[in-house]
Amino acid sequence: GENVEQHPSTLSVQEGDSAVIKCTYSDSASNYFPWYKQELGKGPQLIIDIRSNVGEKKDQRIAVTLNKTAKHFSLHITETQPEDSAVYFCAATSNTGGFKTIFGAGTRLFVKA
Amino acid sequence: DVKVTQSSRYLVKRTGEKVFLECVQDMDHENMFWYRQDPGLGLRLIYFSYDVKMKEKGDIPEGYSVSREKKERFSLILESASTNQTSMYLCASSYRGFYTEAFFGQGTRLTVV
Repeated sequence: GENVEQHPSTLSVQEGDSAVIKCTYSDSASNYFPWYKQELGKGPQLIIDIRSNVGEKKDQRIAVTLNKTAKHFSLHITETQPEDSAVYFCAATSNTGGFKTIFGAGTRLFVKA
Repeated sequence: DVKVTQSSRYLVKRTGEKVFLECVQDMDHENMFWYRQDPGLGLRLIYFSYDVKMKEKGDIPEGYSVSREKKERFSLILESASTNQTSMYLCASSYRGFYTEAFFGQGTRLTVV
């Protein structure tokens, strides 16, 4: 079946450094790619998303890039802060055969002060 | 602020019990979802609903059913709980449409003993 692979599963960075999380999807009909952040004891929350007609999107310290040819998209966090520590999920959505969103397995990010 | 509220944070049930997980949203969203979250597997869709009394199977519907009698409420039912249904359950809602943010509840951690 369709899937989304996410790497790494765990990432530890020093405060102020950058963090990059990468995802690869298999369904070529996917055209919407949201990223969610899940803090301890809470549900996931959308932090940024990108549509397939755009190659890059930035919002302050976070950015997402999309390569549709390679079926690859990435989350970039610059100037990391301890409050960025959380689990991050990528997802790919297609609307062929019905609305379908597939999530990656998640990346646990630790930002060390 | 959008609020998605799940009735319980923690539940412990016995094998064979019928279990009800309740979810209420206050933003008049058309779409509602139930996901299951397990370590290393990300979020997997159990069932979703686009409208009142409407339901569609997700990727892992076996052993579960749902009910949506009112727009704001979406219930997940475990017909006969089993130990392999021990997991974190997340409810989400969104507006109708493709490029729409999903708002998640805080999750219910269910343990079946």
